[in-house]
Amino acid sequence: DAGVIQSPRHEVTEMGQEVTLRCKPISGHDYLFWYRQTMMRGLELLIYFNNNVPIDDSGMPEDRFSAKMPNASFSTLKIQPSEPRDSAVYFCASSLTGGNSPLHFGNGTRLTVT
Amino acid sequence: QQPVQSPQAVILREGEDAVINCSSSKALYSVHWYRQKHGEAPVFLMILLKGGEQKGHEKISASFNEKKQQSSLYLTASQLSYSGTYFCGTVTMTGTASKLTFGTGTRLQVTL
Repeated sequence: DAGVIQSPRHEVTEMGQEVTLRCKPISGHDYLFWYRQTMMRGLELLIYFNNNVPIDDSGMPEDRFSAKMPNASFSTLKIQPSEPRDSAVYFCASSLTGGNSPLHFGNGTRLTVT
Repeated sequence: QQPVQSPQAVILREGEDAVINCSSSKALYSVHWYRQKHGEAPVFLMILLKGGEQKGHEKISASFNEKKQQSSLYLTASQLSYSGTYFCGTVTMTGTASKLTFGTGTRLQVTL
């Protein structure tokens, strides 16, 4: 299996622009997670899905962030409008059965907002 | 709340042992451990389920005390390849949904 695939690997954008991050989970995994990593806050859970349904989005910072999972093989995380404080590495991860199975992480998207 | 890990950082000489602790204020369903090398994604090490079990992975093992809501990771006879940041991930249940929250991280450096 190719593992979790994220795109793009790097994104540099100007403040106010829309940013879309993409993720393809491992086939057959029922859970998909979006995490954000910064030096100050560590690895923060933003939102996670079970069988394409959002279960907990309490970690989404504000209304500028939205996430969708239209089918079992694709998810997006959108930031509109972006701000410099959104600069971070965004990881997507998937797992077979949630809390009892390992999380497999993608390589991450390094977002820089200037 | 985020689980708290201690120590925040540790430097070892090759061959020395280390213990990393993870403590949560919430009742835990399970605990995960991951290692992240600089510029890379976190990589799964092991999961511990309720029951106080201890697991091992080569010279890395862990324990889980569900009463105390704590877990510890033991690194024995450390190797240079063990360097990285270690994260615990605590799993809590809300109804039928499980949520994994990562700890504050412990930076481990192994030197010659």
